[in-house]
Amino acid sequence: AQSVAQPEDQVNVAEGNPLTVKCTYSVSGNPYLFWYVQYPNRGLQFLLKYITGDNLVKGSYGFEAEFNKSQTSFHLKKPSALVSDSALYFCAVRGPTKAAGNKLTFGGGTRVLVKP
Amino acid sequence: GAVVSQHPSRVICKSGTSVKIECRSLDFQATTMFWYRQFPKQSLMLMATSNEGSKATYEQGVEKDKFLINHASLTLSTLTVTSAHPEDSSFYICSASSLGERSNQPQHFGDGTRLSIL
Repeated sequence: AQSVAQPEDQVNVAEGNPLTVKCTYSVSGNPYLFWYVQYPNRGLQFLLKYITGDNLVKGSYGFEAEFNKSQTSFHLKKPSALVSDSALYFCAVRGPTKAAGNKLTFGGGTRVLVKP
Repeated sequence: GAVVSQHPSRVICKSGTSVKIECRSLDFQATTMFWYRQFPKQSLMLMATSNEGSKATYEQGVEKDKFLINHASLTLSTLTVTSAHPEDSSFYICSASSLGERSNQPQHFGDGTRLSIL
């Protein structure tokens, strides 16, 4: 069975400082990995994905994530956080087997609070 | 980018009422749609997967007769919460995926429906 862990319930960072949101995963075979952001009372917005290729993936709104196979991690990063980045962030994994289909397994979410 | 429209955004109704939530893919054909439930300050819980023209596949513990899902076309799926009770109050979110079973495209999410049963 596949699983995702986001070890931090909340991350606090000052505006302008680097932001990192951690994610580790467990899946058989090569994973498809995704990051989504959720604002209050809204659905999820897609930020970026890793399927194959370069380990560093660039996404929307200046976010990027680094796939590390040996550490089974896919941490989300932003060099300089904005107050508007304050939201709930979800890491998700999809297994590579046909049986996994397109189903995503989500981490528990990390709330990011960027203070001015 | 791909747009998924979910309607209504908020419903408040009396216990015993049935509530229908619509999920539409506006600019792409959604071969698969997913329905999630999200409790306050928690992650998304997958309720069911629906493929156009076939019966939905429900996750363990989700009552099929309680949460009726219809995916009649490549752009529309509906979730009906039958005889809703206060414990069904939650935030329901749909998502849509295209290009077949093993697409590497992300799921695109609607804005969710806040259901409150009095």
